Amino acid sequence: SAVISQKPSRDICQRGTSLTIQCQVDSQVTMMFWYRQQPGQSLTLIATANQGSEATYESGFVIDKFPISRPNLTFSTLTVSNMSPEDSSIYLCSVGKDTSQETQYFGPGTRLLVL
Amino acid sequence: QKEVEQNSGPLSVPEGAIASLNCTYSDRGSQSFFWYRQYSGKSPELIMSIYSNGDKEDGRFTAQLNKASQYVSLLIRDSQPSDSATYLCASKAAGNKLTFGGGTRVLVKP
Repeated sequence: SAVISQKPSRDICQRGTSLTIQCQVDSQVTMMFWYRQQPGQSLTLIATANQGSEATYESGFVIDKFPISRPNLTFSTLTVSNMSPEDSSIYLCSVGKDTSQETQYFGPGTRLLVL
Repeated sequence: QKEVEQNSGPLSVPEGAIASLNCTYSDRGSQSFFWYRQYSGKSPELIMSIYSNGDKEDGRFTAQLNKASQYVSLLIRDSQPSDSATYLCASKAAGNKLTFGGGTRVLVKP
């Protein structure tokens, strides 16, 4: 499986500010995803990061709030914009292949607290 | 809305016993199923994947899939305190997106 790193690992931010989270993979991967895990909850898919084109967002998530970049096959960023305390979550990137039987592997996550 | 359902637990199991976790899914188009383990404060790690009806064994873990009944289960044999974690069931349909259940918290007592 690929080795995935995320930066920062954690942060404490003030409401109204923005934070950009980076996801780096040690090999080229077809699929990259961004998830949110709110306290005590399971994982919710935010969007699929598409290389060279706009991300595909899930219902309830919009580009203005969570802009995503994916300039190449090993790197992606997620920005949490105009943050509020409700954005306090763990943000996880995952990678996988473009086949139904391939699983996804998760990065270590970014723990965000918004005050 | 396509869902994956799990009992939230906690499932309390004596050390050395078998832990049995269940998961049901609503999307009949789901083709692949995965069990992840998540320790507190950590990211999910893959334990098992299963694609065909029947049982699949890997060490102390056995995954079972019944597509007709739309359920997936995970058995953990000889449970150890280190197995104490939240276990997430996930399904994958067309589009390669994973849908996660809410997770079952397992507590193995020495």
